[in-house]
Amino acid sequence: KQEVTQIPAALSVPEGENLVLNCSFTDSAIYNLQWFRQDPGKGLTSLLLIQSSQREQTSGRLNASLDKSSGRSTLYIAASQPGDSATYLCAVKGDQTGANNLFFGTGTRLTVIP
Amino acid sequence: SAVISQKPSRDICQRGTSLTIQCQVDSQVTMMFWYRQQPGQSLTLIATANQGSEATYESGFVIDKFPISRPNLTFSTLTVSNMSPEDSSIYLCSVTGLPPYNEQFFGPGTRLTVL
Repeated sequence: KQEVTQIPAALSVPEGENLVLNCSFTDSAIYNLQWFRQDPGKGLTSLLLIQSSQREQTSGRLNASLDKSSGRSTLYIAASQPGDSATYLCAVKGDQTGANNLFFGTGTRLTVIP
Repeated sequence: SAVISQKPSRDICQRGTSLTIQCQVDSQVTMMFWYRQQPGQSLTLIATANQGSEATYESGFVIDKFPISRPNLTFSTLTVSNMSPEDSSIYLCSVTGLPPYNEQFFGPGTRLTVL
């Protein structure tokens, strides 16, 4: 069964700093990988989606990379802002058919200090 | 992309009662998914709701506790029955976007507190 791990569990940085969140997964047979943002008590907002054939995706100050063979993805946030404070979740979708093929990490709780 | 709305956004309920959560999607989808997120935890899939057939439940979840309806291709409900404090969680509705991307979209969640 796919296992997804996110490190660190929590991260606190001063405003303006660049930072990297890590996600690792055990089974490289994936269809895609998604990074989500979750504010406290709220739903998930999709940030970036990387297909298994892609190496990276960019959106504004966010850049996500994927190394499928080593089972790793990173989310790079440039010039962090207090509004970036949230929990960031990584989710891997398996390439097998079936409904329960989306596996979540436990998240990294980010705090950006003004 | 898909836009998903959920009602209610939050509720505080008494032990032993039931709550029905509604999920509305702005486009027709084959499968709708219901997730639970317990405090401090990641997401766990409860069941998959298909239009015109019984929902498929994951291990540890049963229809008597979490009955699901799927009357059409844009709407679903999840009921949390005979609630206990352990049911206090965020409940999330989700759909998968079109191929080839198969991006996953989530609703804003329903934050349930059981006293």
